[in-house]
Amino acid sequence: AQTVTQSQPEMSVQEAETVTLSCTYDTSESDYYLFWYKQPPSRQMILVIRQEAYKQQNATENRFSVNFQKAAKSFSLKISDSQLGDAAMYFCAYRRGLSGNTPLVFGKGTRLSVIA
Amino acid sequence: EAGVAQSPRYKIIEKRQSVAFWCNPISGHATLYWYQQILGQGPKLLIQFQNNGVVDDSQLPKDRFSAERLKGVDSTLKIQPAKLEDSAVYLCASSFEVGANVLTFGAGSRLTVL
Repeated sequence: AQTVTQSQPEMSVQEAETVTLSCTYDTSESDYYLFWYKQPPSRQMILVIRQEAYKQQNATENRFSVNFQKAAKSFSLKISDSQLGDAAMYFCAYRRGLSGNTPLVFGKGTRLSVIA
Repeated sequence: EAGVAQSPRYKIIEKRQSVAFWCNPISGHATLYWYQQILGQGPKLLIQFQNNGVVDDSQLPKDRFSAERLKGVDSTLKIQPAKLEDSAVYLCASSFEVGANVLTFGAGSRLTVL
């Protein structure tokens, strides 16, 4: 079974600084997707960024970027120029396969605090 | 585009009582998921529907949980009888059958069992 591990239960960052959240996963599949979701206190899960396993180039979305190391099964999220609105729970998630629909497998999450 | 709608947002019940949660996915999304998120943990899949058929319910505690998706649109998740350990947020998500593989989540229903 696939597993996702987030080893940092809590992180904090100063406003305008950069922070990196760690994620490792275990799978025997060759085709899959990886995601970072943000969950603010409102509980709404919001997609932050997505990475296809077959792509070597790391995904970026504005201030958010990932460091995808397929051989090491590592998928970290870097948040640059942190803002107060970035404070939330961040979940790393794995999804098997490239076609059809398979469920997301989530890590336990990292709570990010942003200090003004 | 309207999002995934869920109700109620909050529910408090006594143990051994029953409760039902409702989800309306994004129009056109064939796949619907129910996740259980216990405080301090990541969401765990309970059941996945493809249209009105069940794809995966291997982690659904079938002695007390049931779910249906009549007509392949709305879905209802029921718990009867509830236990203390069922206290959690129940998240509904939906996605297209093929393509981008991105799940869109609702705001969740928070259940407290006393």
